Amino acid sequence: NAGVTQTPKFQVLKTGQSMTLQCAQDMNHEYMSWYRQDPGMGLRLIHYSVGAGITDQGEVPNGYNVSRSTTEDFPLRLLSAAPSQTSVYFCASSRSALGPSSGNTIYFGEGSWLTVV
Amino acid sequence: AQSVTQLDSQVPVFEEAPVELRCNYSSSVSVYLFWYVQYPNQGLQLLLKYLSGSTLVKGINGFEAEFNKSQTSFHLRKPSVHISDTAEYFCAVSFAGGTSYGKLTFGQGTILTVHP
Repeated sequence: NAGVTQTPKFQVLKTGQSMTLQCAQDMNHEYMSWYRQDPGMGLRLIHYSVGAGITDQGEVPNGYNVSRSTTEDFPLRLLSAAPSQTSVYFCASSRSALGPSSGNTIYFGEGSWLTVV
Repeated sequence: AQSVTQLDSQVPVFEEAPVELRCNYSSSVSVYLFWYVQYPNQGLQLLLKYLSGSTLVKGINGFEAEFNKSQTSFHLRKPSVHISDTAEYFCAVSFAGGTSYGKLTFGQGTILTVHP
């Protein structure tokens, strides 16, 4: 009953450091995405993927890279962390991006709290 | 592009009182609508969703929402709240078509605080 698993849950980085937030799902979902949550702004889409080998930008992609080499994993990379990237990051997945057909629920991970100092 | 506005950033209410959390959206095409709840330091939990059909949607924990297409609203209601309902609530939409189902646009969030 793993669902969507994010690691690490908490991380402190220094400005300029790089790191990868991991996201894995065990439901064979095609669609995966990353959001960031900031106070008073809700969640905003960073990057998304409709299948292995296919990624695209969301609303706030700058400073982040993604790749999707397997169906299960969708890591988010910060190449040179900045204090503006201090946020809570959520990964989400769904069976398909084509619509709410039977069982096509959108699942969220528990979040990763990132602080850049 | 669609947008979502949650009209109240904070809603204080006493226990056992009714509550309404307001959500308006803007979109030129059909949308799917969602309400999520986030308890402190936790992830998002789906409360309910409107996909099609009946405009009154019932969700978990006694919450319900009504889709009003003419007013482009999807307000969340509960007739009697509990202390345990204290949390942040997010309204979200996605385009109804193409490959946009999982691309959610969220509102800013409403913090519901239930007082004893």
